[in-house]
Formats: sequence, C-alpha cells, structure tokens
Amino acid sequence: AQSVTQLGSHVSVSEGALVLLRCNYSSSVPPYLFWYVQYPNQGLQLLLKYTSAATLVKGINGFEAEFKKSETSFHLTKPSAHMSDAAEYFCAVSFSGGYNKLIFGAGTRLAVHP
Amino acid sequence: KAGVTQTPRYLIKTRGQQVTLSCSPISGHRSVSWYQQTPGQGLQFLFEYFSETQRNKGNFPGRFSGRQFSNSRSEMNVSTLELGDSALYLCASSRVEYDYGYTFGSGTRLTVV
Repeated sequence: AQSVTQLGSHVSVSEGALVLLRCNYSSSVPPYLFWYVQYPNQGLQLLLKYTSAATLVKGINGFEAEFKKSETSFHLTKPSAHMSDAAEYFCAVSFSGGYNKLIFGAGTRLAVHP
Repeated sequence: KAGVTQTPRYLIKTRGQQVTLSCSPISGHRSVSWYQQTPGQGLQFLFEYFSETQRNKGNFPGRFSGRQFSNSRSEMNVSTLELGDSALYLCASSRVEYDYGYTFGSGTRLTVV
C-alpha cells in the first residue's frame, strides 16, 4: 500500500532563510511523487513532480525536491523564503496503474516571518 | 487557457438533502478526479473518470457518486447529506490516461447545516 508522511504540521522560517519541508513515502511499487501548494480559499497548485527521470526535480517559484530511494524521501527545499511562500504544502504519491489516484500527506503549513 | 472550473464555489445545504457539484476540465483533458478535503481527514480521493468510465473509487459510502459526460465534464452527487459531508470538494483534470500532471480547480465549499 502507498502512504505519505509529512513531518511537521507547522514550519516557521524567517524571510530569506532556507525552507525545508519533509516528506517520506511508503510504496510497494515505483512511486510518482508530487508537491502541491494551497493558498487560502484556493485549490491546489502543482509545484513539481518526480516521475522516474532525474532525481533532483526543479519546480516553480524556486522550489526543488530530491528523490532519495534509500531514504524513501522527497523533501521540498527553497534556498531563500519569501513572504509570498506562506501557504500549506502537500506531498502526494501516485503509481503506475493507479488510475491517476493521488494519496496525500496531511500537509505542512509554512509561515514566513519578516 | 482556461483552468479547471468548478461550480458553484459555495453551497449551503440541509441535512438529508442531496447536492450536485460540477467540474469542467481544461479543454482537451480527458481524466477527471474528485477529492474531498476536511480539517480532520485531509485530502481524500473520491473517484476518477476517464472517457466516461469510472476507473477508480475511494473508500466512501454509496451516497457519493459521479459521472463524466462525453465532453469530459464531470459531476458528483451526494445524496442524504450528513453534517460530516461539509468539506471542500476539489476536482482535478489531466490530459491523458497517465499524465501525472494534474491541474486542480478552486473547489466547491459545501456546508451542511
């Protein structure tokens, strides 16, 4: 069975500091991994995805994530936080044959302080 | 290009009533998925349709149903509403059968009173 664990329901950083949001997955088959961002009263926006190509994935807004099979991790990073990055972030897993079903983590709310 | 459109954006219903939510995918997208988002349970998969066929269904009671039309537009229906059905319902579409690049709509906020 597939599952996703996001460590830390709330993360707070200062503007300009490194952003690190943690995601670990469990999958019995090769996974496809995603990070989504959700702003208040909005839907989900895809930040980046891993689909078995390069293990270091670059996304929008300066975010990137690295797929580490040995650690079953897909942590999201951004070198320098901006106030506009404050939002909720969701890690998700899917897999071939899953008919486009996404399994989401519980989410991490990112706060950015001036 | 237009994104995924969900209507209505907000809805208030009474317990026992039924409700229909609509989702218009991005033009050319043939796969539509539905998710329920609540503070307690998070984001949960409801079902997925591709070319009018339901290919996958989540662990929800039979009160939750859906369908997809020939133009790829999708509707979901919830009958005999319960207070616990209050949630944000999100629709996502993707271009092909296994695209893994889902685009989400802004959702329909359903409140059951």
